[in-house]
Parts: sequence; C-alpha cells; structure tokens
Amino acid sequence: SQQGEEDPQALSIQEGENATMNCSYKTSINNLQWYRQNSGRGLVHLILIRSNEREKHSGRLRVTLDTSKKSSSLLITASRAADTASYFCATGKNQAGTALIFGKGTTLSVSS
Amino acid sequence: GAVVSQHPSRVICKSGTSVKIECRSLDFQATTMFWYRQFPKQSLMLMATSNEGSKATYEQGVEKDKFLINHASLTLSTLTVTSAHPEDSSFYICSAYRTGSNPNYGYTFGSGTRLTVV
Repeated sequence: SQQGEEDPQALSIQEGENATMNCSYKTSINNLQWYRQNSGRGLVHLILIRSNEREKHSGRLRVTLDTSKKSSSLLITASRAADTASYFCATGKNQAGTALIFGKGTTLSVSS
Repeated sequence: GAVVSQHPSRVICKSGTSVKIECRSLDFQATTMFWYRQFPKQSLMLMATSNEGSKATYEQGVEKDKFLINHASLTLSTLTVTSAHPEDSSFYICSAYRTGSNPNYGYTFGSGTRLTVV
C-alpha cells in the first residue's frame, strides 16, 4: 500500500537554487521520515520529524510537518549536483516497529 | 552502528528457477525485518513483515507461496523468489528495525538486490 503522494514527481533546478518537495499522507502517524535514493542504490535516511514537531533542520535540509493537513515538505537549500537523487517521504504507524510506508517520490535533478 | 547487509547485490536467473536473497543485521538484533520491492522509476512497495520465529505477514496481493520469507534468527531474514518469471524482475530492499531509546535506532535499510529473470 502507498501512504503518501509527493509532488512534484520530478524537479529540475540549477546548482545553488533551493529545492522544495512536498508529501501528503492519509492516515495518522507517529513520525514522518525523508529518505534519499541514488539511482539503483539503497536508501539513505535524511531526517525524521515526530508528529508533535512542526519543523526540523539538519544542515541544508529543512523539514516541516502539518498534521492538520497531513502534509510535509522537504527543503534543500543551496543545492548541489550531488543532491541529484530521488527523495521519498515515509510514514510510520502509531506502533513503533511497524513498517514504513513510502510515498511515490520526487526525482530531483540538479545541473551545474 | 546499525548496519544491514543484503546479498547478493545483483542476480540474474533463468525463468523457473528460485533465488534467495539474504538480509543480515550486522551489529544489532532485529526482531522485525521488512521486505520491499521497487520497480523502475517507482516507489518502494511493502511486500511483507518478517518477525523472528514466526510466520511473515504479507501485504495484500503478495503471493506468500511465491515469495518465501524466513526469519530464523535475530540477525537474518531471507526472501526466496520461487519459480521466478521475468515479471519478478525488480529491485528488492530489506529493512531491519532496531528498538531502543536511542534516537538513532530505528529503520536501517540494506543496499538492495537487483533481480533480473531471463
């Protein structure tokens, strides 16, 4: 089953620009996480935001969470060519240890 | 810490044969592991939840007799694709869940297995 919908599905920007990706989900959550995947590779955990948090920062990443709208956004500032990858949001159910459900993902392409 | 090793990374097999994929938590015990499948340019779809010492829980639409999951120890889960067909060609990724109060604990993903059935 798919929990979230990301938009845009694809995003192309120039180095130095900011990239914003959005994710919406359907059910109640305990937390929301963002992952990055380079083509044909495994997943890299970027950041986790808990349901009682509204915003979180990690380096060039900024994540927001609006539980009333069941949505989250990931902002990558000052993008680099190395940021080119697919980005997925994933939600955890209220019980810890249950499976993460992934959104459809946004493919980000950063050109130099 | 929290490393998950998944093997093989790539495998090509003939139609009708079976393929086993291993997922190991190297430095922690994982009572629960998850198996995902990812088709090209698509997201990860949860296939099943694997619990140590008990039967796996499969998601709707996933054939349990075709995708055999064994979680015989706290550090190893295996996925066997039986009687593989070209439509089973996909990227399979495992994830292990580590419980604990440390915020770094949680879900760790393997590097994935690219299965090609010819």
